[in-house]
Amino acid sequence: EDQVTQSPEALRLQEGESSSLNCSYTVSGLRGLFWYRQDPGKGPEFLFTLYSAGEEKEKERLKATLTKKESFLHITAPKPEDSATYLCAVYTDKLIFGTGTRLQVFP
Amino acid sequence: GAVVSQHPSRVICKSGTSVKIECRSLDFQATTMFWYRQFPKKSLMLMATSNEGSKATYEQGVEKDKFLINHASLTLSTLTVTSAHPEDSSFYICSADTGTGYGYTFGSGTRLTVV
Repeated sequence: EDQVTQSPEALRLQEGESSSLNCSYTVSGLRGLFWYRQDPGKGPEFLFTLYSAGEEKEKERLKATLTKKESFLHITAPKPEDSATYLCAVYTDKLIFGTGTRLQVFP
Repeated sequence: GAVVSQHPSRVICKSGTSVKIECRSLDFQATTMFWYRQFPKKSLMLMATSNEGSKATYEQGVEKDKFLINHASLTLSTLTVTSAHPEDSSFYICSADTGTGYGYTFGSGTRLTVV
């Protein structure tokens, strides 16, 4: 059965304290891995798509990487506005989401 | 570009009534749209895949007669929750594949409360 697991479930950081979020997956026929940001009461906002092991993508303070079994979302020098839930999803013939990491960044 | 508009954002209805949620692609055509349900602090669960001009494909365990999906045009899909009950209260989100390779675009979600 296809599975996506994210860790940690929740993460509290001081502003400027860099860290990484993990997304591990067990799927057959991976066609892509997506990272989304979701604010409370809102729909997910697209961040990155990764297609093959070794691929990396960056956007402002965020960097996503992909291996054959997991993906990391690295947050460098986070700011309070980065506080949100970060969702990982794998695409086989449909999107399968992890449960997310709730990130809180304090000033 | 690639905006998906979902309406309403919040709705409260009485038990036993039906509620319709609309999902529109504003600046692109979406032959396929997806409907998700999300419980508090939980992941998004795919309910069904909506295909323009044909019947929706429902995930295992999703009641077809309770969650009616219609995709009558390339820019509009609707989800109707029929004979709603309090256990149907949830956050419903639609999405569409923009076909750009930049992932699926999601609507802003609908918070349904059945009282």
